[in-house]
Amino acid sequence: RKEVEQDPGPFNVPEGATVAFNCTYSNSASQSFFWYRQDCRKEPKLLMSVYSSGNEDGRFTAQLNRASQYISLLIRDSKLSDSATYLCVVRDSSYKLIFGSGTRLLVRP
Amino acid sequence: EAGVVQSPRYKIIEKKQPVAFWCNPISGHNTLYWYLQNLGQGPELLIRYENEEAVDDSQLPKDRFSAERLKGVDSTLKIQPAELGDSAVYLCASSSPESGGELFFGEGSRLTVL
Repeated sequence: RKEVEQDPGPFNVPEGATVAFNCTYSNSASQSFFWYRQDCRKEPKLLMSVYSSGNEDGRFTAQLNRASQYISLLIRDSKLSDSATYLCVVRDSSYKLIFGSGTRLLVRP
Repeated sequence: EAGVVQSPRYKIIEKKQPVAFWCNPISGHNTLYWYLQNLGQGPELLIRYENEEAVDDSQLPKDRFSAERLKGVDSTLKIQPAELGDSAVYLCASSSPESGGELFFGEGSRLTVL
């Protein structure tokens, strides 16, 4: 079993749609959680950190459920520019960052 | 502020040849990472440095891969000899406590082994 698992997608949604991705992690001692975005043939970039109480940044909302060991990302009012791969990232107790394989999102006009 | 700089961007070599990648992290970032990313996969850690010390190299295939970070700034990653399965993108990243642990990646070095 992978340490961080994501649905690879692709999620194909129309502009303006709301879409949600989930990610599960296996190590209950994991300390920090993040979503990174990676455009095609580009490097990953931090989208947002995920806090225990949940957090929102504009159209993006991240949630953490420690009991069930999953993280979610909700994107409202999808834009064409949101098309990318979204990587779930978990930091373990040794400060090691573990990346999921990513969920691909395609937003169509 | 300059970002993480990697070179070369692209490299094509024949199997059994050596190859080296270079990384210059963001100024002041004491932590440097080398990741390997295959198509359709997330980055996988090869090695992490805190200044000049390799603190996590458990995923580095030491029979053919080596890395160094002399003086705790620039780093090189070497593969000798390269195998077909080494074709991938090699990403360098850096971070600092002041950045909240956020990783800043370079554009990557895309290796093709023929």
